[in-house]
Amino acid sequence: DAGVIQSPRHEVTEMGQEVTLRCKPISGHNSLFWYRQTMMRGLELLIYFNNNVPIDDSGMPEDRFSAKMPNASFSTLKIQPSEPRDSAVYFCASSWTGTSHTGELFFGEGSRLTVL
Amino acid sequence: AQSVTQLDSHVSVSEGTPVLLRCNYSSSYSPSLFWYVQHPNKGLQLLLKYTSAATLVKGINGFEAEFKKSETSFHLTKPSAHMSDAAEYFCVVSDFHSGNTGKLIFGQGTTLQVKP
Repeated sequence: DAGVIQSPRHEVTEMGQEVTLRCKPISGHNSLFWYRQTMMRGLELLIYFNNNVPIDDSGMPEDRFSAKMPNASFSTLKIQPSEPRDSAVYFCASSWTGTSHTGELFFGEGSRLTVL
Repeated sequence: AQSVTQLDSHVSVSEGTPVLLRCNYSSSYSPSLFWYVQHPNKGLQLLLKYTSAATLVKGINGFEAEFKKSETSFHLTKPSAHMSDAAEYFCVVSDFHSGNTGKLIFGQGTTLQVKP
């Protein structure tokens, strides 16, 4: 069974450019999470979706960040325009939040973003 | 509100000696607690989880953790460290009991170094 798939694994871009990160959750999972990891701030939850609906986006840094989940098998995180302080590893995670839910998340391997 | 504190940012042990990574939590509810491991340039992987069943939880790769409500602790242990255990370890509390579906609160992480 395939895990959470993220792309690209690495991206280097210049300040001001648009960045789109992609995520395919595990089939059958109904919750999807975007996290950002930096040395200074650790792991931060940016946004999470349940049944494709954004539930909590309070962690999204500012209007330059947006996330969508058009269907159960795909989500995007977009940064426009990008800034050097957005450099981080962005993780996507998914889970099944049904009656047997125990809180476990399954993480992708991350997208390492460098904004010059 | 829930929170988790990892008491050591860095732990160094010799191969073959015991490992202890400390974690304290704060929760208004009966929490679900997790330990995740992150190897370099990889995503996070679940080591073990506590969900109000047995207080001593066994995980993968010989790790275990004991839930102690009186001490609000969930320390991670392993009797004998292996070189492959060198990684970042995260203690995590879940607040999904409060109605938020699967939101995890991460500690700041503990880097485990294993010396030959």
